[in-house]
Amino acid sequence: DAKTTQPTSMDCAEGRAANLPCNHSTISGNEYVYWYRQIHSQGPQYIIHGLKNNETNEMASLIITEDRKSSTLILPHATLRDTAVYYCIVRVALGSSNTGKLIFGQGTTLQVKP
Amino acid sequence: GAVVSQHPSRVICKSGTSVKIECRSLDFQATTMFWYRQFPKQSLMLMATSNEGSKATYEQGVEKDKFLINHASLTLSTLTVTSAHPEDSSFYICSARGGGGARYFGPGTRLTVL
Repeated sequence: DAKTTQPTSMDCAEGRAANLPCNHSTISGNEYVYWYRQIHSQGPQYIIHGLKNNETNEMASLIITEDRKSSTLILPHATLRDTAVYYCIVRVALGSSNTGKLIFGQGTTLQVKP
Repeated sequence: GAVVSQHPSRVICKSGTSVKIECRSLDFQATTMFWYRQFPKQSLMLMATSNEGSKATYEQGVEKDKFLINHASLTLSTLTVTSAHPEDSSFYICSARGGGGARYFGPGTRLTVL
């Protein structure tokens, strides 16, 4: 699986957009970008994933650069409950025939402030 | 959405005793489950992959005789920490593979060994 690089920590004002970057310059053509988050003392929560097109769901948007070497997770209107560690993971698709592992890096600690 | 539960949520035990942690997929069947360990201020570390009806596959450096994994049914995997010591104190998280390969995480179990 390709290596990812994320900033250790970020702050964001409540109500503003939180933009969390992730670098994955060695990503392969068949590897997806997955984002999970972990609120303190809870299990990780899936946010979104994508291959090359931008993706949006009810939680966030994922913007992947054209060369796929980096991506940005966008929380459009951050709330205090979005304070968490955000993990960017690059790997082949978690398809039904794939029992592969999900390996977590250090992630970005996002602190949303009032 | 798919729900994974863990029991107990927290446990305190004496050094030398064994502790069993249960991971259940409540509304789906999971042929594959994963066990992670997380120390304070660190990321999740994958310990082992548990497949229903077969032996678990352990990550390098994880003692299979100390961390016994049993995946006897499609909705239950158990992790037993044998002869627990204070250094085994950690946050243990399970993950179940659901439909389409999605990964669902349990809420975690906080183990404290005195």
